[in-house]
Amino acid sequence: EVQLLESGGGLVQPGGSLRVSCAASGFTFNNYAMSWGRQAPGKGLEWVSVINKSGGEIYYADSVKGRFTISREDSKNTLYLQMHSLRADDTAVYFCAKGRSTSSYSGIDFWGRGTLVTVSS
Amino acid sequence: DIVMTQSPDSLAVSLGERATINCKSSQSVLYSSNSKNYLTWFQQKPGQPPKLLIYWASTRESGVPDRFSGSGSGTDFTLTISSLQAEDVAVYYCHQHYSVPFTFGPGTKVDIK
Repeated sequence: EVQLLESGGGLVQPGGSLRVSCAASGFTFNNYAMSWGRQAPGKGLEWVSVINKSGGEIYYADSVKGRFTISREDSKNTLYLQMHSLRADDTAVYFCAKGRSTSSYSGIDFWGRGTLVTVSS
Repeated sequence: DIVMTQSPDSLAVSLGERATINCKSSQSVLYSSNSKNYLTWFQQKPGQPPKLLIYWASTRESGVPDRFSGSGSGTDFTLTISSLQAEDVAVYYCHQHYSVPFTFGPGTKVDIK
């Protein structure tokens, strides 16, 4: 059974940094692209970033480019999102998501339950 | 960027009746080399993460009831719930993964009339 467990969310001040993690199990993690998405309170889904199987292909939403970094540690079956220069409009539930295959363009077939990041003073 | 629009914003359908949700992309998401539409439909219930319903625009995910179907190609897509059940109350999103930045539609809320 595929499981994605996000952690590391919390309250952070504007301008601060935070790293959220996603522990994966139930599938061969290093065979799949992985993504982050987010959802602000009461709002729709927003795609944030994707990393392919090898980590050699990475893309970001314009809203986070230059501030967020996606990475993966296959030995630990873990996906990360390092966030810097956080703003109030980054407040959201951050979801980890499994890709359908190795490619960044393969789409998403499973989502974790998310971790809440609140940016506020 | 590819802009995804959905219509209607919300709809209320009687139990057992058909619900139809439309999704339009600002440019084609059909990849000619493999004839696949890079378009996915998700269902999200309150307090839950999104759940995959349909991928490649028309392929139903394993375990998804056959009352859910997807159709369309290029820029115009439809999600149909053939006979609405109480458990189908949710927000439905279309998502394009053809071109980065990938984008979602704004969502369509489905309720029981």
